[in-house]
Amino acid sequence: QVQLQESGPGLVKPSQTLSLTCTVSGASISSGNYYLNWFRQPAGKELEWIGRIHTDGSARYNPSLASRVTMSIHTSENQFSLKLNSVTAADTAVYYCARRKYLDPFDQWGQGTLVTVSS
Amino acid sequence: EIVLTQSPGTLSLSPGERATLSCRASQDFGSPYLAWFQQKPGQAPRLLIYDISSRAAGIPDRFSGSGSGTDFTLTISRLEPADFAVYYCQHYSSPPITFGQGTRLEIK
Repeated sequence: QVQLQESGPGLVKPSQTLSLTCTVSGASISSGNYYLNWFRQPAGKELEWIGRIHTDGSARYNPSLASRVTMSIHTSENQFSLKLNSVTAADTAVYYCARRKYLDPFDQWGQGTLVTVSS
Repeated sequence: EIVLTQSPGTLSLSPGERATLSCRASQDFGSPYLAWFQQKPGQAPRLLIYDISSRAAGIPDRFSGSGSGTDFTLTISRLEPADFAVYYCQHYSSPPITFGQGTRLEIK
């Protein structure tokens, strides 16, 4: 069974860069036609799609965040990562990673990790 | 970007009753790629329904989805205590993927 697990600092200072990693276990990250996604959810609010990276390395981001987001794939570690720069308190949220094939539904999610932006 | 609007914001019902949750899209996105998720506090979203009306693996048949065009519905036929949670609809065809703002289903 495929499992995803987010990891990274739980506290980031304003103006700095948020960096998270999603580790995939139970399957090779480079096999199959998969899209590796990041979502976030501020407390009490709905989920927001941040972007995705394909196993071929091509990425697409939510236009609302595109100027600050970079996603990468790390095949040898079976991981993919998210960097969000110039963070503010508005970036405080639970961040989730998720994996799916193109036009398949999102049925594989990590458990989420809380990132707080505060000095 | 497709905007999804859910109603009602909060639904108060008793166990055994029927719940009807609505999701309206800002435009007809011309595809069946509409899903419903259940989320409980501290947990990741759980896929219930995909492609408008297909149940995900392990989801009981008390949950059903329907709709077309811009109007979609999640129905829970007989509420059980574990069903009280927040429900989100999601459009998942072309980016950006978007969610509704959620319907909170609470015990009356």
